[in-house]
Amino acid sequence: QQQVKQSPQSLIVQKGGISIINCAYENTAFDYFPWYQQFPGKGPALLIAIRPDVSEKKEGRFTISFNKSAKQFSLHIMDSQPGDSATYFCAAKDDYKLSFGAGTTVTVRA
Amino acid sequence: ETGVTQTPRHLVMGMTNKKSLKCEQHLGHNAMYWYKQSAKKPLELMFVYNFKEQTENNSVPSRFSPECPNSSHLFLHLHTLQPEDSALYLCASSLTQSGTGDTELFFGSGTQLSVL
Repeated sequence: QQQVKQSPQSLIVQKGGISIINCAYENTAFDYFPWYQQFPGKGPALLIAIRPDVSEKKEGRFTISFNKSAKQFSLHIMDSQPGDSATYFCAAKDDYKLSFGAGTTVTVRA
Repeated sequence: ETGVTQTPRHLVMGMTNKKSLKCEQHLGHNAMYWYKQSAKKPLELMFVYNFKEQTENNSVPSRFSPECPNSSHLFLHLHTLQPEDSALYLCASSLTQSGTGDTELFFGSGTQLSVL
């Protein structure tokens, strides 16, 4: 059973545009929600993370929006750049382990 | 070397072969993990070691056998694999085991395994 559902599977955005990736969960025990970024030929690396007591967190051009009542969270990439082309994974942690979404491949066209 | 290093980067093996994947971390972490990454699927946790002790075996078939001789090294021994085992195998480490605190995972670049 997939604990974290991620959409879309892929998206294409023009340089300077906004990329939005959405994730949803059911387990109310999740208490930490990181996003990982993976470039081709590399392993995933932590990009940004949020705890459920905060509704938004921004780091540079990357923003997480969190809606606790809807059990949804999303990653917004503002002013998307070709260097942002990568696969993005959302994840959620409870007391036992980290559960990942299936990933979104983002392609930024110059 | 720094971070998490995995060897080999690519591996092609027949179903009757025996091979091993190696992972080494230079971060002073206490927990190490094996993940399986298949296209369009979530990262699949296989094994977790915390302070060299196996703390999780996520119902992985016995043809995959992990070994953790110390906190810095992790192996995945492979034998009689099936074609559906072809995937990217990622090693990761963290200061403490995921599930405790805001634990960041540090991943290696993976071994791309093809089973013929």
